[in-house]
Amino acid sequence: DTEVTQTPKHLVMGMTNKKSLKCEQHMGHRAMYWYKQKAKKPPELMFVYSYEKLSINESVPSRFSPECPNSSLLNLHLHALQPEDSALYLCASSHRRGEETQYFGPGTRLLVL
Amino acid sequence: SQKIEQNSEALNIQEGKTATLTCNYTNYSPAYLQWYRQDPGRGPVFLLLIRENEKEKRKERLKVTFDTTLKQSLFHITASQPADSATYLCALDETGGFKTIFGAGTRLFVKA
Repeated sequence: DTEVTQTPKHLVMGMTNKKSLKCEQHMGHRAMYWYKQKAKKPPELMFVYSYEKLSINESVPSRFSPECPNSSLLNLHLHALQPEDSALYLCASSHRRGEETQYFGPGTRLLVL
Repeated sequence: SQKIEQNSEALNIQEGKTATLTCNYTNYSPAYLQWYRQDPGRGPVFLLLIRENEKEKRKERLKVTFDTTLKQSLFHITASQPADSATYLCALDETGGFKTIFGAGTRLFVKA
């Protein structure tokens, strides 16, 4: 299995909602990443988990809360988001942190109303 | 400040021609540079990686060069096809930061 899966594919939420994005990989990778991508912009790193521990937090607002329950799963909990948080949220994994190639999931298209 | 620049926002070429995309960077000393392909609404897909001690790398119709003196990478697609139409992102590692930084991408359109 060489893919990263993400659910849901699309999500519409209000500013008072709480929702979660999920990411899963079964490649035995020990580093997992969340990126945010706005239209016509490059992916921007949000969080990095290495061996299930948060190793990089790119000063992301606390309304985004990552969680890594085990080596195959990565969640991103969302609460009280703003319309400017609407974007494509991408999950990626690599063999380990600092390993060159990252494998990306298809992303979750998030719209905050 | 650190910057990655890709030559143009969009590139239009005729089928069968060679597409050449440019990635320039400043104030980085990457150990390697990568190229990814991204289709609309999808995640990036890894294509090629070239290390600082390599001048050129090839994979099928793809060729990447890396000039650390010029701080530039060129990405070539030979015998281009309409199916090659996509956004191509260059990415490099932030030295010692275990962090991949992406360029804004070049949208390639190959016309039949």
